[in-house]
Amino acid sequence: AQKITQTQPGMFVQEKEAVTLDCTYDTSDPSYGLFWYKQPSSGEMIFLIYQGSYDQQNATEGRYSLNFQKARKSANLVISASQLGDSAMYFCAMNSGGSNYKLTFGKGTLLTVNP
Amino acid sequence: SQTIHQWPATLVQPVGSPLSLECTVEGTSNPNLYWYRQAAGRGLQLLFYSVGIGQISSEVPQNLSASRPQDRQFILSSKKLLLSDSGFYLCAWSTGDTGELFFGEGSRLTVL
Repeated sequence: AQKITQTQPGMFVQEKEAVTLDCTYDTSDPSYGLFWYKQPSSGEMIFLIYQGSYDQQNATEGRYSLNFQKARKSANLVISASQLGDSAMYFCAMNSGGSNYKLTFGKGTLLTVNP
Repeated sequence: SQTIHQWPATLVQPVGSPLSLECTVEGTSNPNLYWYRQAAGRGLQLLFYSVGIGQISSEVPQNLSASRPQDRQFILSSKKLLLSDSGFYLCAWSTGDTGELFFGEGSRLTVL
């Protein structure tokens, strides 16, 4: 079984600063994918970034980067130059090779960006 | 481009009433389809997924059912709603490559 843990229920960051949202995972499958989603107050789920377990380099998408530490089973999201519009819930998720149809989500971290 | 829509966006239903949430995907064929539920302040729980017409897998025993009558249509139903069915329901699709999910706008259900 696969499991995602997000230990930070809430985080605060000043506008224009960087912030790291923690995510650890557990799976026995050597092939898996890691995802981050953003959920604003409107409720829609917005895909941010993807990291495959065999990817050698950390994934980056604009101001988002994924700090992938395979040995530690962590996949932290780094948001650089925070903006007020980054205030939202952030979910870490994973699938594994044997069940790539299904994503397992963590409980989320509520990020608040202060002006 | 691919789009996904679900409706209704909001509904308030009495306990014991039926439910039907509908989701359709455009711009792709043979997608994998999913229904997730999000309880207030919590993560997403997978309810059902489908890899093809008429093929439904249930993840948790519950008061709900799902059907896929057409390739790009996914329906979530209940014959008799319970208070515990309240929540935010999200439909999603994927191509099955990396497994990245694309979500609909969500349907907020309140059972009174």
